[in-house]
Amino acid sequence: DIQMTQSPPSLSASVGDRVTISCRASQGIGNSLAWYQQKPGKAPKLLLFAASRLEIGVPSRFSGSRSGTDYTLTISSLQPEDFATYYCEQYYNMLFTFGQGTKLEIK
Amino acid sequence: EVQLLESGGGLVQPGGSLRLSCAASGFTFGSFAMTWVRQAPGKGLEWVSSISGLGGSTYYANSVKGRFTISRDNSKNTLFLQMSSLRVEDTAIYYCARRGAVADPADYWGQGTLITVSS
Repeated sequence: DIQMTQSPPSLSASVGDRVTISCRASQGIGNSLAWYQQKPGKAPKLLLFAASRLEIGVPSRFSGSRSGTDYTLTISSLQPEDFATYYCEQYYNMLFTFGQGTKLEIK
Repeated sequence: EVQLLESGGGLVQPGGSLRLSCAASGFTFGSFAMTWVRQAPGKGLEWVSSISGLGGSTYYANSVKGRFTISRDNSKNTLFLQMSSLRVEDTAIYYCARRGAVADPADYWGQGTLITVSS
């Protein structure tokens, strides 16, 4: 199975900060990587797919990039509504795997 | 508007069975793959199972293979997950979600239904 190692597990930041969250795949997955946002008591929400493509309706302060098997989610200027937990997911093969999650908290 | 509504959750004893349903609306159900993802209390997301649009291809996580069965009724726009030989570690919120194709990200999610496996 493909393992997704996500870091950091938690992150404290302030409104207006630039933050990055990383995921590393245990083997090549091409661009088959999605990022989700989940708020407490709610279902996950798709933010980006194909490593860097923004889902319709998602603010442009969210962006994604890839370097080999390393993937990064960047939030350019944190807004109050961005404090949530973020997950990466590989969908390269039919055995999908999620990263462990990154909880983004207000400093 | 795409809507996914899960039902069938509840309390079940270890070794028991349960069937979850997910009623879909707002899109051409049979044209999309569907998936179940679960989340144990306070834990991360875990993919459980996926099914192709016509139902001919199914996929399972190793943790549920042989115990869970995914199926769909495209005439009723409904996705199912039949769960048997349930274990305490199956306790979780179960979400249904839509994927464009089987190997696509999940773009719409239901609100989830809680399964508690306990004696």
